[in-house]
Amino acid sequence: DSGVTQTPKHLITATGQRVTLRCSPRSGDLSVYWYQQSLDQGLQFLIQYYNGEERAKGNILERFSAQQFPDLHSELNLSSLELGDSALYFCASSGYGQRGPQHFGDGTRLSIL
Amino acid sequence: GEDVEQSLFLSVREGDSSVINCTYTDSSSTYLYWYKQEPGAGLQLLTYIFSNMDMKQDQRLTVLLNKKDKHLSLRIADTQTGDSAIYFCAESMDPGNQFYFGTGTSLTVIP
Repeated sequence: DSGVTQTPKHLITATGQRVTLRCSPRSGDLSVYWYQQSLDQGLQFLIQYYNGEERAKGNILERFSAQQFPDLHSELNLSSLELGDSALYFCASSGYGQRGPQHFGDGTRLSIL
Repeated sequence: GEDVEQSLFLSVREGDSSVINCTYTDSSSTYLYWYKQEPGAGLQLLTYIFSNMDMKQDQRLTVLLNKKDKHLSLRIADTQTGDSAIYFCAESMDPGNQFYFGTGTSLTVIP
């Protein structure tokens, strides 16, 4: 158990819809990272938050947004969903500014029908 | 720091050693990591090495780092069927502990 909790485990929805994925980091970790894993593109970094502020952006589409709340949990919002958004979405956490591993949650599997 | 390469597939017989290789391009990386992903699961941290080290051993796992060639390897001794999974290497960069992952190597262990 990594200590990172992601909900829900599975989401099935239709094109054009909007979903919210939730992540609770490990206790004491201030940094949260979101990744997308698909069969054709591998593991893609989306965005990083540290203590409520955005710190780095990767290959995140404009239809996607994220935020980190005062209690340090984070949400990834995906809107105007397309078939190609079907993927596993992972959240990871680490201590910012402290070089060390990112700890991953079990992921949310998003299926767009 | 974005070009981390791994071979896609590796097959070994149970009981043999497995060696999974990784090359990276950014010499300013701080740590290098190995993660394991089993089907339908998240990434599990296996081990990591600081960039000024050459080798790290942890039970059946040995990590070798050749900084000059920017080459990282993971050796699994006495490979078991439970080791079948996808193995990702990653390098971390300052600031902010940014990670760059390889494409993953799918290890199949043949009984």
